[in-house]
Order: sequence, then structure tokens, then C-alpha cells
Amino acid sequence: EAQVTQNPRYLITVTGKKLTVTCSQNMNHEYMSWYRQDPGLGLRQIYYSMNVEVTDKGDVPEGYKVSRKEKRNFPLILESPSPNQTSLYFCASSPMLAGGIGTQYFGPGTRLLVL
Amino acid sequence: ILNVEQSPQSLHVQEGDSTNFTCSFPSSNFYALHWYRWETAKSPEALFVMTLNGDEKKKGRISATLNTKEGYSYLYIKGSQPEDSATYLCAFTSPEYGNKLVFGAGTILRVKS
Repeated sequence: EAQVTQNPRYLITVTGKKLTVTCSQNMNHEYMSWYRQDPGLGLRQIYYSMNVEVTDKGDVPEGYKVSRKEKRNFPLILESPSPNQTSLYFCASSPMLAGGIGTQYFGPGTRLLVL
Repeated sequence: ILNVEQSPQSLHVQEGDSTNFTCSFPSSNFYALHWYRWETAKSPEALFVMTLNGDEKKKGRISATLNTKEGYSYLYIKGSQPEDSATYLCAFTSPEYGNKLVFGAGTILRVKS
């Protein structure tokens, strides 16, 4: 089954304790992306990757890191989480169309609470 | 800063009503406009990706149109059903903004039976 998986689905942590949220897709998509969703603000892009070893900042990259060592995986790293990173996070992948981004397939979401 | 506006913010309709909402985006240097449907406690699911001015797409009772020259897209739902209740998101991508995908805040639709 074609899918995007994220782990963990729920996470409660404390300020400053490094964490990683994993994302994996089995559709051989070139483009992968991380979003956060906050009430009233819609989905905001954190980082995206066009292919292996190619990553770029989205609109809200501060406090986050990513890596793309393999095509299927795109982990999101919070080196020193803070309470303002409490949010619902989605990973997504898509094929690249001629010159642009195709349909995004979203993971199930990770709900993070930073105390 | 790239701004994608959706209106209305929310909409309450009766079962059987037809409805439509708007997505506005910068009209210069357009590449693609995406529509997604997002039900509570689930992940967003793709409805349409539209790339050409004048494009019209249809999926069952849902259809969308695109006007890249004036910078808007309409999403129509014919004969709304309670299961259509969701947040409808549009997202815009343009070569001018690299390969970012910028989402609007969404339109919340509630259909009463």
C-alpha cells in the first residue's frame, strides 16, 4: 500500500530534550516536506527536500533541522525543543512534475507537546 | 511574503445545498494550484492539482476552476452531504518562490442534515 508513515504519533517531552520525528514514504517520490499546523494559521511549511542530500527552508524553519540521506526517509529533528514548538506536524511526499510539485501525500500526523 | 487567501473562513449549509469557496493567490509567475480536503482527526487528502489557466477539474460532486490571470480558483460542491463536512485547503506554488508550497488557512465547511 502506498503510504507515508510518521513516528511517533504522539509525543510529550520537556524543554531542551532533543527529539526526532521520523518520516518514510514508499512511493519513490522525489519531494518531501514537513509542515506544522497551528489553530488559525493553517499548514506552514518547515523544510522541504527535492531529492537526496537536497534540502531547503520553508517559511518557519527556526528551531528545526532535517536530513535526506535516503530517498524514502526525511526525519525532522528538534535539537532543543521549546513550548512554542507544541503543534501538530505533518510529513508529506509528492512526485515532481515538469518544473513543479505534484500532489502531496500526507502522513498521519504527529502531535507534539513540549512542556 | 507569498500570501494565499481563502474565503469564507467557515460556512454552514443544509444538506442538499450547493456551495462554493474561493482561493486567491498572486497572479504573477504561476505554476500550480492544489486543493485538499481535510477531515477532523485525519490527514489532508488531495482533490485536484491545476496548472493551466481555464482548467476545470471534477471529482464526483466536487469541481474546481482556475483563473491564473486574475489569481483565483473556485471550489464547488453540488448537493452538499454531511460527509462533505471538512476543511478545504488550497495551496500555491510558483517558480518565483522556489519549490515551496504555500497553503491558505482553509475554509471550514459544516453540512447539517
